[in-house]
Amino acid sequence: GAGVSQSPSNKVTEKGKDVELRCDPISGHTALYWYRQSLGQGLEFLIYFQGNSAPDKSGLPSDRFSAERTGGSVSTLTIQRTQQEDSAVYLCASSPRDRGYEQYFGPGTRLTVT
Amino acid sequence: GQNIDQPTEMTATEGAIVQINCTYQTSGFNGLFWYQQHAGEAPTFLSYNVLDGLEEKGRFSSFLSRSKGYSYLLLKELQMKDSASYLCAVRDQYSNYQLIWGAGTKLIIKP
Repeated sequence: GAGVSQSPSNKVTEKGKDVELRCDPISGHTALYWYRQSLGQGLEFLIYFQGNSAPDKSGLPSDRFSAERTGGSVSTLTIQRTQQEDSAVYLCASSPRDRGYEQYFGPGTRLTVT
Repeated sequence: GQNIDQPTEMTATEGAIVQINCTYQTSGFNGLFWYQQHAGEAPTFLSYNVLDGLEEKGRFSSFLSRSKGYSYLLLKELQMKDSASYLCAVRDQYSNYQLIWGAGTKLIIKP
């Protein structure tokens, strides 16, 4: 079946502009995660959605970052007033409810802020 | 604090065996994961250990010692396609979903 998809695959933006990154999880998966991966670094947790529960936003690095998940499916990560330090690969993952520890990752969006 | 340590880079020869170590210090423990990530691609799930011992899955095996805060991933009969980064991650017992990730070990396979 279809895996997790993300768009765009690459995004180059100017400092100060807003960007939106999209994630389509695997159908039926209730949990959705956003991570950030900088070059040579581990995955940095950003935000977690589980069904209709309030999201865990504890990993968002600043109030310039926000995310929403509409209808329990597609999610959008928005970064406002981008900074050069926001340059990274943004990964989305989803999990089935009964095996929340198995995370299926999308291919990521490579964001470059110039 | 929470910390996961892995070697930054390792090199091995095609057909050989390599062991990638991971040590962790976390406030709780509820499972350890290994993921493979090829350059420019998403991480893919390899293994999950929650009890001590060795879990074998084809050419890949993963070992866990909870008392030592230690795990390793063993790759046998190395193939060129095994060149990738290998990420170790620990699930905290206080969180059902959050994983603490190591920086990954870049494995280079030479002919």
